[in-house]
Amino acid sequence: QSALTQPASVSGSPGQSITISCSGTSSDVGGYNYVSWYQQHPGKAPKLMIYDVSHRPSGISYRFSGSKSGNTASLTISGLQAEDEADYYCSSYRSSSTLVFGGGTKLTVL
Amino acid sequence: QVQLVQSGAEVKKPGASVKVSCKASGYTFTNYGLSWVRQAPGQGLEWMGWISAYNGNTNYAQNFQGRVTMTTDTPTSTAYMELRSLRSDDTAVYYCARTTFDGTVAGVYWGQGTLVTVSS
Repeated sequence: QSALTQPASVSGSPGQSITISCSGTSSDVGGYNYVSWYQQHPGKAPKLMIYDVSHRPSGISYRFSGSKSGNTASLTISGLQAEDEADYYCSSYRSSSTLVFGGGTKLTVL
Repeated sequence: QVQLVQSGAEVKKPGASVKVSCKASGYTFTNYGLSWVRQAPGQGLEWMGWISAYNGNTNYAQNFQGRVTMTTDTPTSTAYMELRSLRSDDTAVYYCARTTFDGTVAGVYWGQGTLVTVSS
């Protein structure tokens, strides 16, 4: 049961935009519009930032956006801020009513 | 407000079992499911499975089939996750997360996490 593939790390300067990719297969990312993104600060529970590929839960900044093309989903953070520094995980619905996470990406704000 | 409150930290010996609880409040328990997600020290998130609080149906990740059981108790709005035959690599923080009715989205709300340590 392979995890989704994310880059181990990305970085950007304050005010810049960054994109984190999440690669899967036609059995998960490519087959369903049920990709979610989570932010996790050290020692804290994850926080849902995007669901259903591109929808933001109430209270999540417009600076966070999601998209998908084929078997790859992406999270874009615009106007990077210091508090965005965290680990980010994607997840996708997979056939047989299961979910799968990506390996996680550490975002560093320079 | 919605809250998921988990039971406290556990220390177990290899081969033992652990049962973690997740008490929900602030919403209609049977309108959602609960997913269980774990995170080993310094590692990423791992989805273990989910249970529908409506009908008790479960779906477990392949890695945990035969070793995990998820249940709910509707009168107390509490979900449980039992993991058996514990090994040292089961040492992790275990989270419950509210999940949509159809199991497609987990985690608008999360528990605070329960640290399970497996050590002889």
